[in-house]
Amino acid sequence: SQQGEEDPQALSIQEGENATMNCSYKTSINNLQWYRQNSGRGLVHLILIRSNEREKHSGRLRVTLDTSKKSSSLLITASRAADTASYFCATDARGGTGRRALTFGSGTRLQVQP
Amino acid sequence: DGGITQSPKYLFRKEGQNVTLSCEQNLNHDAMYWYRQDPGQGLRLIYYSQIVNDFQKGDIAEGYSVSREKKESFPLTVTSAQKNPTAFYLCASRNRQGDNQPQHFGDGTRLSIL
Repeated sequence: SQQGEEDPQALSIQEGENATMNCSYKTSINNLQWYRQNSGRGLVHLILIRSNEREKHSGRLRVTLDTSKKSSSLLITASRAADTASYFCATDARGGTGRRALTFGSGTRLQVQP
Repeated sequence: DGGITQSPKYLFRKEGQNVTLSCEQNLNHDAMYWYRQDPGQGLRLIYYSQIVNDFQKGDIAEGYSVSREKKESFPLTVTSAQKNPTAFYLCASRNRQGDNQPQHFGDGTRLSIL
């Protein structure tokens, strides 16, 4: 089952603008992760935020996590044409007897116009 | 460089044929995963393995089989029972030691029906 759901499904912005993507999930988590996928390629890990963290930064990326609302957001600041890709959130569920594999959302396709 | 290698990059299957997708990693990771991705969609878990000689079904295991005889290798067989095999297949691995680890992905195999 797809636990993470991203919003919006597609986003088109101009270079230099900020891009915000949201993710909602349903169950308790150990952490939430964001990945990037260029067309026809594998996924690349961007950032991991633990369930006891509220905000994390990495370069031009800023991730927030609200466990009370079961939601996360990914902000890419000062976007570049090279940021054009699909972005996925993935949840790492809490629970020792549960499956130990990430659950991915359906992704946000970001287009950055030069 | 350490990483995950998937082969072949493109694969064609005839009706009634079984085909095997290769996944090899030299990251010394215990856990390995197979995902299926349909156009414009997220990733769905087929099978995963936490340790050699053990594997678990994911959400869409029907029509697929795996083996884990070596730590480095986790091949996926798409059997003739899988009636709609056309998709992009992604293999991933993860360090099991401790929580809060990202997954590392290969560059995928695109499977089509002849």
